[in-house]
Amino acid sequence: GQQLNQSPQSMFIQEGEDVSMNCTSSSIFNTWLWYKQDPGEGPVLLIALYKAGELTSNGRLTAQFGITRKDSFLNISASIPSDVGIYFCAGRRYGGSQGNLIFGKGTKLSVKP
Amino acid sequence: DVKVTQSSRYLVKRTGEKVFLECVQDMDHENMFWYRQDPGLGLRLIYFSYDVKMKEKGDIPEGYSVSREKKERFSLILESASTNQTSMYLCASRKAGTGVYEQYFGPGTRLTVT
Repeated sequence: GQQLNQSPQSMFIQEGEDVSMNCTSSSIFNTWLWYKQDPGEGPVLLIALYKAGELTSNGRLTAQFGITRKDSFLNISASIPSDVGIYFCAGRRYGGSQGNLIFGKGTKLSVKP
Repeated sequence: DVKVTQSSRYLVKRTGEKVFLECVQDMDHENMFWYRQDPGLGLRLIYFSYDVKMKEKGDIPEGYSVSREKKERFSLILESASTNQTSMYLCASRKAGTGVYEQYFGPGTRLTVT
C-alpha cells in the first residue's frame, strides 16, 4: 500500500531546542493527523487537521496542513525529555477507502538533557 | 475519552499454534482496524471492519483472519502462527459517518512466535 514520505527519520537534539518534521505525499489529502508513540505503547493522537492551510496547536506542538494538500508539518517548541518517542503522520486521500489512513514511517526523536 | 484495550501486552507462542488477539473499544465506534508494526516498515493494515460482521482485507491479510461478532470487539486470528508473524500488533477504532478520520489506538500486543 501507499505510504507517506516522512522526514527526518530520526533526530537527536538538546533539551530546549525546537523541532521540525514533515510528511509529503504524491496524492492530495483531505485529512492529516499527527501521532506520538512512546516505547512499547500504542500511538496517541496529538493533532488533527482538516483544511488546507489550517494551523493547529496543542501546547508546545503546532501542526500545519500544507496549502498544496500534499504535505503537513509538525513543530515542537522548547523540547523537553518527555518529548522522546516516535512521531507519526497519517493522512486520508481524497477518494480513499472509508476510514482508512495512510501512515508515514515515523520520526524518532531523542532529547539530550 | 476513547478507550481501546487489547487482551495481552506480551504474548509468546510456538510455531503452528492458533493465536487469538482481542481488542475492545468502549466508545460505540463502528470502524475497527488491525495493524502490525515492524521496524523500518511502519504501520501496515491487516484487516478492518466497517461494522458488526463486516470485514475487509487490508494490505497484508495473508495468514490472518478476523471476527467481529459484537460492535465493541474485534478479534485477530493467526490460524497457524509462524516466526515471520513476530511483531507488534495494534488495534484502532473510529467513529463512522462523521467526516472525521481520527483513529484511536490500543496499547499494542507484542507477539513473539518461536
